[in-house]
Amino acid sequence: AQSVAQPEDQVNVAEGNPLTVKCTYSVSGNPYLFWYVQYPNRGLQFLLKYITGDNLVKGSYGFEAEFNKSQTSFHLKKPSALVSDSALYFCAVSSPRGGYSTLTFGKGTMLLVSP
Amino acid sequence: DAGVIQSPRHEVTEMGQEVTLRCKPISGHDYLFWYRQTMMRGLELLIYFNNNVPIDDSGMPEDRFSAKMPNASFSTLKIQPSEPRDSAVYFCASSPPGGNRPQHFGDGTRLSIL
Repeated sequence: AQSVAQPEDQVNVAEGNPLTVKCTYSVSGNPYLFWYVQYPNRGLQFLLKYITGDNLVKGSYGFEAEFNKSQTSFHLKKPSALVSDSALYFCAVSSPRGGYSTLTFGKGTMLLVSP
Repeated sequence: DAGVIQSPRHEVTEMGQEVTLRCKPISGHDYLFWYRQTMMRGLELLIYFNNNVPIDDSGMPEDRFSAKMPNASFSTLKIQPSEPRDSAVYFCASSPPGGNRPQHFGDGTRLSIL
């Protein structure tokens, strides 16, 4: 069975500092990896994805993520955090089993950016 | 593009009542997913459809839950009878064909069963 781990329930960072939200995964075969963000009382919004190719992928709002196959990780990063980045972040994986049709989500990491 | 539309946004009802949640996916998307989000269990996939056909309903918690997709532009999730432990936020999402396409989520229905 595939799974996603987000080891931190919450990440605190000061505005202007770099941020990292961690994600590791377990899946059979080549994974497709995604990051989503959820603001209060809203649905999840897609940020970025890794399918194949360059291990560093860039997404919306200045976020990027690095795929590391040997460490089975897909950490989300941003060079300079904004207060408006404060939200709940989800990592998700899909696998060849089931034809990449479904996503398995991590439990989410709350990012708090202080002014 | 109006996005995925869910209704109602909030529902408060008493235990034992029937609850129907509605979803309109993005036009052209042939996958539709129903999720439930709670603090304790996070985001759980309940059921998903491909071309209006249910593919996997193994996440549906009990027989009290049922879902239908009578056409490409409408789906319902029904709970009958409802129980307090069903209180959660229910999300609908849709995606185009191709596993590398992201899912697009509605803003959810916040359900409270008293």
